[in-house]
Formats: sequence, C-alpha cells, structure tokens
Amino acid sequence: QKEVEQNSGPLSVPEGAIASLNCTYSDRGSQSFFWYRQYSGKSPELIMFIYSNGDKEDGRFTAQLNKASQYVSLLIRDSQPSDSATYLCAVNTGGFKTIFGAGTRLFVKA
Amino acid sequence: KAGVTQTPRYLIKTRGQQVTLSCSPISGHRSVSWYQQTPGQGLQFLFEYFSETQRNKGNFPGRFSGRQFSNSRSEMNVSTLELGDSALYLCASSLAVGRRTGELFFGEGSRLTVL
Repeated sequence: QKEVEQNSGPLSVPEGAIASLNCTYSDRGSQSFFWYRQYSGKSPELIMFIYSNGDKEDGRFTAQLNKASQYVSLLIRDSQPSDSATYLCAVNTGGFKTIFGAGTRLFVKA
Repeated sequence: KAGVTQTPRYLIKTRGQQVTLSCSPISGHRSVSWYQQTPGQGLQFLFEYFSETQRNKGNFPGRFSGRQFSNSRSEMNVSTLELGDSALYLCASSLAVGRRTGELFFGEGSRLTVL
C-alpha cells in the first residue's frame, strides 16, 4: 500500500464548476497535510495546508481533513482554465519527511 | 526575498559517472529536503537535512548521498550513475518549525539525463 494515494486522473471539469480532488494516507500518526500545485514544466508550489479535522477555506480553495478516515480533499470552486495543473497531496508524518502522492491531473475546459 | 536556487539546471552524464547538485535555500530556512521526480514514480523523498544533520532518508541506494553546510546550503551526490537515475531532482527548503515542517518551497530543479 502506498503511503499517500491519489487518483491520477485526468479529472476534467468545465469552467466555473467545482473540482474535487481526493487523497488517502496510510500513517495514522500523520500530523500535517498539504496540497501542492504543479504546472507542466514547473516546480510544485504550496497552495493549502491543514492540520486539524474539518474544513479550511482560502479564497476559491477549501481543504478538508478527516483523520478518522485518513482522508484529505481539496475543493476548487469556480474553476478556471488557469487551474489546469497537477495537484499533489502531501503528508508529513512528524519524522522530518514529507511524502507526496503521485498527483491528480486537472483539466478545466473553457 | 530570493527563492530556492538550484544549480546546475540541466546536465547530461554517462553511465558510471558521478554528479553533484547544489541547493541554496531561502534565507532563514534551515531545513533542506531533496526529492527525485520521474513520470512513473512521482516525487520520491531522498533525504532531509537540518543544521548539517541528516534527519531522515528515503529508500534509495547508498549511491545517493548528501550533505548540508553551516550556511544551510546543501549538495547531493549520485555516484556510479545508472540510466534509471535520469530524473528531475528537486530541492525544497522549509522553516521546519513544528507542523510547518511540511511547508516546502521548491527550487526549479536540476534535470539530469544519463546516457
């Protein structure tokens, strides 16, 4: 079992729709959870982090964490073509190591 | 504020050679992590350094090594290169404060091609 699992996609949504990206992790001791966005040919950039169960909103982005289910999600509201990228879920287990999922490719159609 | 700087950006080596990659973190960041990114495996953790100490290491062979200097700059070395080492090597720096340890800021990467 991989430590951090994501559906590789591609996930295709029309412009203006909500994109929902999901991630599960295996280490119950994980403490910090992150979403990174990676455009083609570029490096990953941090867009959201969440530490506690529940929802965290930042602009059009909402991160959701459910530690009991070992599940993290990212919602992107009013999706724009500029949101088309690969979204990487990352988990820090507290051992000075951040593990990344394989990423979900998102396409937003104009 | 300057970002994470990696050099060289591109390099081509042949099998059996060795390579050294360099990373300068964001000023004030004392943690440096290295990752290997390939299309098939995604981002794989290599190692993490803090104050010149390796605090964690991923599942890579001993041919992969690294170090960190007192000014937080880091280098990684790959010896006896294999074709499968062709990848984008990414360095990331972090403040490494509590739960913010996973808030990583990546450099542009060093793309290694092994022929």
